[in-house]
Amino acid sequence: IQMTQSPSSLSASVGDRVTITCRAGQSINSYLNWYQHRSGKAPKLLIYGASNLQSGVPSRFSGSGSGTHFTLTISSLQPEDFATYYCQQTYNNPTFGQGTTVEI
Amino acid sequence: EVELVESGGGLAQPGGSLRLSCAASGFTFSNYAMNWVRQAPGKGLEWISYITASGRTTNYADSVKGRFTISRDNAKESLYLQMQSLRVEDTAIYYCVREVQLQSNWFDPWGQGSLVTVSS
Repeated sequence: IQMTQSPSSLSASVGDRVTITCRAGQSINSYLNWYQHRSGKAPKLLIYGASNLQSGVPSRFSGSGSGTHFTLTISSLQPEDFATYYCQQTYNNPTFGQGTTVEI
Repeated sequence: EVELVESGGGLAQPGGSLRLSCAASGFTFSNYAMNWVRQAPGKGLEWISYITASGRTTNYADSVKGRFTISRDNAKESLYLQMQSLRVEDTAIYYCVREVQLQSNWFDPWGQGSLVTVSS
């Protein structure tokens, strides 16, 4: 299943509200996860099942959507949020979106 | 603390072989399916292989099918990836990842990664 993220990159300021979109090539119900990947670090799970916040992840991160259209929102961007964000479907063989790089 | 630590990466020649290992700790390894995910230089994340908790069922991405073999030793709490017929395009950081399967399924945590470079 092809996953398409938009935008591919964005520039934002500390305190901004940021929204990243992920579209699936077919319905994946809520089998959608979001990861944060900082350079040189292991990817980190942020959101699972489309809208469930992983334990320990700040509440400024939220996810929504079902079927084919999903969004990740950062309500108030912080300096440590500079990273690349990936969506992933696990409806069948896992596939990732191409990534969205957030520049502060 | 749940932890995954990869080892075994390095330089290999095209057509050569390499074996990655992943040591798990902090959780009951035999209860979880596991995966390998890679990231080529300048590229995104690519899932490449899956193995069930028991080790009886495996699955592969088309890009590595027939060349890579995933396996596990639950007694040693370890995951492996045997890579053969390596190609330049297999150059990547390889991540060992635990799969959590509840109402849906997701990858958590990820290891730090092991760099594999395929070059002559």
